Amino acid sequence: DADVTQTPRNRITKTGKRIMLECSQTKGHDRMYWYRQDPGLGLRLIYYSFDVKDINKGEISDGYSVSRQAQAKFSLSLESAIPNQTALYFCATSGPPQGAGSYEQYFGPGTRLTVT
Amino acid sequence: AQKITQTQPGMFVQEKEAVTLDCTYDTSDPSYGLFWYKQPSSGEMIFLIYQGSYDQQNATEGRYSLNFQKARKSANLVISASQLGDSAMYFCAMRGTDSWGKLQFGAGTQVVVTP
Repeated sequence: DADVTQTPRNRITKTGKRIMLECSQTKGHDRMYWYRQDPGLGLRLIYYSFDVKDINKGEISDGYSVSRQAQAKFSLSLESAIPNQTALYFCATSGPPQGAGSYEQYFGPGTRLTVT
Repeated sequence: AQKITQTQPGMFVQEKEAVTLDCTYDTSDPSYGLFWYKQPSSGEMIFLIYQGSYDQQNATEGRYSLNFQKARKSANLVISASQLGDSAMYFCAMRGTDSWGKLQFGAGTQVVVTP
């Protein structure tokens, strides 16, 4: 089984709808992240969390909210979806630094979201 | 603020040849880390290689090596003996000194390996 799972994998929704993307991990990591990927822009950080009591905004948090329900679960919500939120969304986790401090991030498979 | 620049939007390389993907970065952090990820057409993000800013030697992982030039703020990825399966998007990313581990990504380079 995958270490980081995301549901749904694909979603089409209409403008104005509320939608939640879910992420679960079995790696036992404290740190979890949500990124979005747009063509030509790479991945950009939306939110990140160190533990269930710690939520932080990333580079592009407007229009999004998150919930860290447990160490293993981190959900991303679009309260009122708009077409320019159409993107590929990734959840990622990382543990404590290893060796020289790699903080390697482990990514989920991604959720392709289309807002019409 | 940190910034990662990948100036090559796309490139073609012949099978069995080596290819260098450029990455330059800008940061004022005293300690940082540089990553390369591969994204095949299926969409998943695959970690390839990591270089710490204080590492004395360039990182290598199998056919991947990182040409780290700290003074020039560059961290180029070299793929030796390209294979058809290397066709993918490649992202350079950086994390800063803070303990959060969050990454700043470049825009990516699309590599197509031809027979």
